[in-house]
Amino acid sequence: RKEVEQDPGPFNVPEGATVAFNCTYSNSASQSFFWYRQDCRKEPKLLMSVYSSGNEDGRFTAQLNRASQYISLLIRDSKLSDSATYLCVVPSGGSYIPTFGRGTSLIVHP
Amino acid sequence: GAGVSQTPSNKVTEKGKYVELRCDPISGHTALYWYRQSLGQGPEFLIYFQGTGAADDSGLPNDRFFAVRPEGSVSTLKIQRTERGDSAVYLCASSSPPLHEQYFGPGTRLTVT
Repeated sequence: RKEVEQDPGPFNVPEGATVAFNCTYSNSASQSFFWYRQDCRKEPKLLMSVYSSGNEDGRFTAQLNRASQYISLLIRDSKLSDSATYLCVVPSGGSYIPTFGRGTSLIVHP
Repeated sequence: GAGVSQTPSNKVTEKGKYVELRCDPISGHTALYWYRQSLGQGPEFLIYFQGTGAADDSGLPNDRFFAVRPEGSVSTLKIQRTERGDSAVYLCASSSPPLHEQYFGPGTRLTVT
């Protein structure tokens, strides 16, 4: 099993839709988790940090399920500008080395 | 304030040549990471610096790759005897403290012909 797994998509949704992505991880010792957004040919930018059970920021909600070892990202009321690749990051337990998933592509259409 | 900067933005080199890629992190950030990203993949960890020392270089693919950060700020990634398989975008990120939110530079797109 890969350390961090994401469905590459793409997820095609209409504007206004709610969409959710999952990210599974293998290292049960990991304590902090991150979602980054990456636009085409740009660098990743931090979207949300998850240190406990979850985090919410406007239309975006991240949730952590330690028992099943996955984190999810929920986007409500999707905008065209949400079209991007969403990268899940799980630091290796006990170290400072972040492992990135391959990303999930989201396309929001009119 | 200024973000993470990387130079050059693009580098085309011939197979077998030596290249240096530079990263200037956010001032005061003690942790600096180098990653390599290929098309359709997430960033792949290469090396992590805490201050001047390489705290973990387990991601460097082989001994052709080396990185330094002599004064705990600017870092240089050095690739000897480049191969076509080294072609990728090389990303640098800094954070403080380590493992907190990372700020990425725009990357250097390396093409080995």
